Amino acid sequence: KAGVTQTPRYLIKTRGQQVTLSCSPISGHRSVSWYQQTPGQGLQFLFEYFSETQRNKGNFPGRFSGRQFSNSRSEMNVSTLELGDSALYLCASSRGLAGGGNEQFFGPGTRLTVL
Amino acid sequence: AQSVTQLDSHVSVSEGTPVLLRCNYSSSYSPSLFWYVQHPNKGLQLLLKYTSAATLVKGINGFEAEFKKSETSFHLTKPSAHMSDAAEYFCVVDSGGYQKVTFGTGTKLQVIP
Repeated sequence: KAGVTQTPRYLIKTRGQQVTLSCSPISGHRSVSWYQQTPGQGLQFLFEYFSETQRNKGNFPGRFSGRQFSNSRSEMNVSTLELGDSALYLCASSRGLAGGGNEQFFGPGTRLTVL
Repeated sequence: AQSVTQLDSHVSVSEGTPVLLRCNYSSSYSPSLFWYVQHPNKGLQLLLKYTSAATLVKGINGFEAEFKKSETSFHLTKPSAHMSDAAEYFCVVDSGGYQKVTFGTGTKLQVIP
């Protein structure tokens, strides 16, 4: 069974640009969660999508947005990039809601560098 | 409300000696608890999870954790450290429903040869 895949793996952007990251969950998984990981702030929850609906959202500005398609694939978008957005962005999928005691399966992440 | 505290940001052990990574949690409900491991430049991998069954949970690679409700702890242990255990470990609390899953700040484990 294929694992969670994230594309691209590495990305370099400049301030003010926007970026879209993609995540393909494990087949049959309906929940996709996104996390931002930085050395200073650790692992922070961005949002979770389940059956194309946002179920939960972390404390991030509106520049961070996401969506989920009918095949459960998800994208997250960051507009007007700032230097502080440089991070490893992790996607995780689970069969049910992440907050329901379900194991999350993580992708390898997308390393975003903002110059 | 829920929270999780990993009591050590860094732990250093010698190869072949026991590992103890400490985690305390707070939850208004009966939570599920997880330990994940992250090797450098990789995603997170589940080590083990507790979901109100046996309080002593065995995971992969010889790790285990004990759920102690009275102490609100879920410490991760391994009898003998291996060089390949060097990684960052995250304790996670999940109170269920529509609450967000909460990750601890992580403990970096260094294994000295």
